[in-house]
Amino acid sequence: GQQLNQSPQSMFIQEGEDVSMNCTSSSIFNTWLWYKQDPGEGPVLLIALYKAGELTSNGRLTAQFGITRKDSFLNISASIPSDVGIYFCAGLVTGNTGKLIFGQGTTLQVKP
Amino acid sequence: NAGVTQTPKFQVLKTGQSMTLQCAQDMNHNSMYWYRQDPGMGLRLIYYSASEGTTDKGEVPNGYNVSRLNKREFSLRLESAAPSQTSVYFCASGAQGNTEAFFGQGTRLTVV
Repeated sequence: GQQLNQSPQSMFIQEGEDVSMNCTSSSIFNTWLWYKQDPGEGPVLLIALYKAGELTSNGRLTAQFGITRKDSFLNISASIPSDVGIYFCAGLVTGNTGKLIFGQGTTLQVKP
Repeated sequence: NAGVTQTPKFQVLKTGQSMTLQCAQDMNHNSMYWYRQDPGMGLRLIYYSASEGTTDKGEVPNGYNVSRLNKREFSLRLESAAPSQTSVYFCASGAQGNTEAFFGQGTRLTVV
């Protein structure tokens, strides 16, 4: 079945540093989403991407939908302590209504 | 504005017991999902429902059944719980054609 490979699995960075994480798939997706999960909570949507090549920003976050439609990346600039959490990519399976698949997640820790 | 509501929040079951996890959304969404979250595995899709009256298997459906009772409610049933089903379960919903799925707070299930 469809799988998303997300990397890195975890990151430990200094406050103020930039962060980059990505997702790749062997399948084509027609939508990419990026979520953040705080401890004890459900994931919350950060950015949605609907077109190949699309580059979208949300504050210090920037995400891109890869040209091949098989990958996406998320960048966080000038990290702050509240960026700590688990970040997930998710893709909508092409040609299949409603099937949303998630990556394994990237755990981010920020040292003040 | 409740969004997606899951009950119960916590549950401990003995091996072989059955139970139903409840999920309701008040956003008039067509699509609803059940995921399980395990450490290092990300969010894995158990079942989803693209619209009222339809359900489809996800990545890990074995040991589970679902019911899309109406547009608002999507329940997940464990007929005979096993320790391997110890996990955090998340319900989510999204508008058809718009995959910005919104998540509930999760149900933390332990099977002993």
